[in-house]
Amino acid sequence: AQKVTQAQTEISVVEKEDVTLDCVYETRDTTYYLFWYKQPPSGELVFLIRRNSFDEQNEISGRYSWNFQKSTSSFNFTITASQVVDSAVYFCALRMYSGGGADGLTFGKGTHLIIQP
Amino acid sequence: DARVTQTPRHKVTEMGQEVTMRCQPILGHNTVFWYRQTMMQGLELLAYFRNRAPLDDSGMPKDRFSAEMPDATLATLKIQPSEPRDSAVYFCASGKGQGQETQYFGPGTRLLVL
Repeated sequence: AQKVTQAQTEISVVEKEDVTLDCVYETRDTTYYLFWYKQPPSGELVFLIRRNSFDEQNEISGRYSWNFQKSTSSFNFTITASQVVDSAVYFCALRMYSGGGADGLTFGKGTHLIIQP
Repeated sequence: DARVTQTPRHKVTEMGQEVTMRCQPILGHNTVFWYRQTMMQGLELLAYFRNRAPLDDSGMPKDRFSAEMPDATLATLKIQPSEPRDSAVYFCASGKGQGQETQYFGPGTRLLVL
């Protein structure tokens, strides 16, 4: 069985600070996919990034960056120079590769990020 | 801008009533997922379909929940009879059904059972 742990339930920082959201996963499979989704106060789930298990390159997209380390089973998300609009609940998720196509996502409990002006 | 649509967005009903939630996946996506979000359990997978065929509904209470895809543009999730513990946000997501696919989520149906 797979599991995703987001140990930080809530993080509060002042605007312009950098913040890192932690994600640790468990799986016995060698091929899998990791995701981050954002859930703003409006409630929708917004896709941010997908990472394949065989690609450990870190990724940067504007103020967002992701650090994938298979050795520690972690897929951490950093926001640089945070802004109030970044306030949301962020979910890390894991999906197996079934061979036949897509399977459902296993989500962490989420980290509620509060950016104070 | 292609999006998953869900109706209704909000539903308040009384215990024992039937509830039907609908989802229109993104055109061209052949995989549809139903998730439920509660404060206690977080986001849980209920069921999913590929090419309209059910692949896994192990996350769904079988006695009262049912999920179907009458056609490629419509997925439904029914609860009969509804109970207060079913109160949650129900999300539909769709994907292209490939190994590397990304699931795109609808806005959710917020259900309150009194």
